[in-house]
Amino acid sequence: DGGITQSPKYLFRKEGQNVTLSCEQNLNHDAMYWYRQDPGQGLRLIYYSQIVNDFQKGDIAEGYSVSREKKESFPLTVTSAQKNPTAFYLCASSILERGTDTQYFGPGTRLTVL
Amino acid sequence: AQKVTQAQTEISVVEKEDVTLDCVYETRDTTYYLFWYKQPPSGELVFLIRRNSFDEQNEISGRYSWNFQKSTSSFNFTITASQVVDSAVYFCALSGYSDSNYQLIWGAGTKLIIKP
Repeated sequence: DGGITQSPKYLFRKEGQNVTLSCEQNLNHDAMYWYRQDPGQGLRLIYYSQIVNDFQKGDIAEGYSVSREKKESFPLTVTSAQKNPTAFYLCASSILERGTDTQYFGPGTRLTVL
Repeated sequence: AQKVTQAQTEISVVEKEDVTLDCVYETRDTTYYLFWYKQPPSGELVFLIRRNSFDEQNEISGRYSWNFQKSTSSFNFTITASQVVDSAVYFCALSGYSDSNYQLIWGAGTKLIIKP
């Protein structure tokens, strides 16, 4: 089955720790995205990548880092510099072609800082 | 600047009622794409529809229908004979042709509650 997987589903972190959220896709999509969603809020873009070894900051990149070493994988690291990291994190991917660039989402990771 | 407005924060209806979710957008692009996504309580966003700016034909898929009107910059979503399983947050989004980084501009979402 083609799709996007995110792990873990739930993640607990102590203050001052870095944590890495996994996102893998087997859809052969070029582009991948990370969003943050706070309770009762919409989606805010953290980072996106259109090609391997390249990525761009979104609207709220501070305190986060990413890598894109493989087309299938786009892990997100939440660093200790992120002041309020408790949120729901969604990963998405899309074909990079105007008109067909619908984003498809993974199941998300709920991060809680203890 | 591009913008998507979903003015209805929350809507509550009784099962079997029809309900319309509003989406108003702003863009200077002549070519653009509009999307609707559903976010059930589980959290995963589910793609519902994509519409390009040159196709104003209304779309119907089962109990779901979409009304795209360029004259009013609106792309409204109607659920006919609503069911409890339709309870979710629904997001409208816009992708502009001149936006070379393929980002989506998201509305704030409308929480739909279907009461049995």
